[in-house]
Order: sequence, then structure tokens, then C-alpha cells
Amino acid sequence: EDQVTQSPEALRLQEGESSSLNCSYTVSGLRGLFWYRQDPGKGPEFLFTLYSAGEEKEKERLKATLTKKESFLHITAPKPEDSATYLCAGRASSNTGKLIFGQGTTLQVKP
Amino acid sequence: GAVVSQHPSRVICKSGTSVKIECRSLDFQATTMFWYRQFPKQSLMLMATSNEGSKATYEQGVEKDKFLINHASLTLSTLTVTSAHPEDSSFYICSASETAGGRGDTQYFGPGTRLTVL
Repeated sequence: EDQVTQSPEALRLQEGESSSLNCSYTVSGLRGLFWYRQDPGKGPEFLFTLYSAGEEKEKERLKATLTKKESFLHITAPKPEDSATYLCAGRASSNTGKLIFGQGTTLQVKP
Repeated sequence: GAVVSQHPSRVICKSGTSVKIECRSLDFQATTMFWYRQFPKQSLMLMATSNEGSKATYEQGVEKDKFLINHASLTLSTLTVTSAHPEDSSFYICSASETAGGRGDTQYFGPGTRLTVL
């Protein structure tokens, strides 16, 4: 069964304290690993898509990486405005476009 | 970036009434739209996938007669919750993508609709 697991469930950081969020996946014939940011009471905001092991993408303080079994979202020198829930999702090889979401990591960055 | 809107953002209704939620892709044509619901502190649960001009595909356990989905055009999909009951209260979110399953396909999400059934 296809599955995506995120850890930790919650993470508290001080402003400027870098860290990483983990996304482990078992998705048959992975055709894309997606990262989204979700603020309370809002829909997810697209961040990155990764397709191949070894691929990396960056956006401001965020960098996403992908291996054959997991993906990491690295946050460098976070700011309070980076506080949100980060969702990871995998797309299987079937042609439906359906995403399999992890449970998310809720990040709180304190000033 | 691709923009998806939802209307209404918040709705309160009485038990037994029907509620329609609209999802629009504003600056691209969405071949496929998805409907999710999300309970507090939980991740997104896919309800159904709809392709323009064809019947929606519902996930296991989702009642298709209760959650009616119509994808009449490449920019509009609607979800109608029929005979709503308090247990249907939730956060409903749609997403849209230009293609179904192809590389370069990304789901862009709407802002969500908070449904409260009294």
C-alpha cells in the first residue's frame, strides 16, 4: 500500500535555528514528490515538486531534497513567518494524478 | 502562479439543507479537479477526482449521492453537499491541475470552504 509518513509531527525552533523536516515514502513508481505549506484555515500553497533521486530545489530559506526513500525540507535561519504546517505528498505511477499526503509537520518559529 | 478560488469561504446551514461550493481555476484550464475534506489537526482526505465533461471518481467510503460533483467546464467544478447533517461539518478544499498524471502536473489548491451544519 502506498504510504507517506512525515516526522516530526511538530517542531519548535528559535528564529535563526536551522532544521530539517523528513518525509518517508513508499509509493509505487513515484512520479513526483510534492511539498506544500498550509497556514491555519487556508488551503495548501505549492512549494516544490521533485521527480528524481538527487534532485534539489530551493526557494528563499527552504530547500527540498529527494532520495529513493525519503525527502527532506531544510529550513535555513527560519523566521516567525515560516511558521505553518508543511505537507508532503507523493504521486503514484497510476495516471489519475492522485496525491498521497503525509500527516504534516507543524512548525513554530519563535522570535 | 496558478490561482484557484473557492466560493463561499464560509457557510452555515441548517440540517437537511443542501449546500453548493464552487471551485474555479482563474488563470489556467483545469483538466482535472480534486475535492478534499480536512478535519482539525488532520491531513487532507481525498473525496473525489473529476475530469471535465465526465463523471467524478469517488474514493472508497465517500457517498456519491451525498456529495455531488460536477465539472462542467475547464475552469469550474462544483461540490454539492445534499441533505447536510452536523457530521458533514468540515473544511472542504478543492485543487486543480492542468493535466492528469503527466510530468509537470501540479495540484494548485483553493483557499477552502468552512461548512458548519447546525
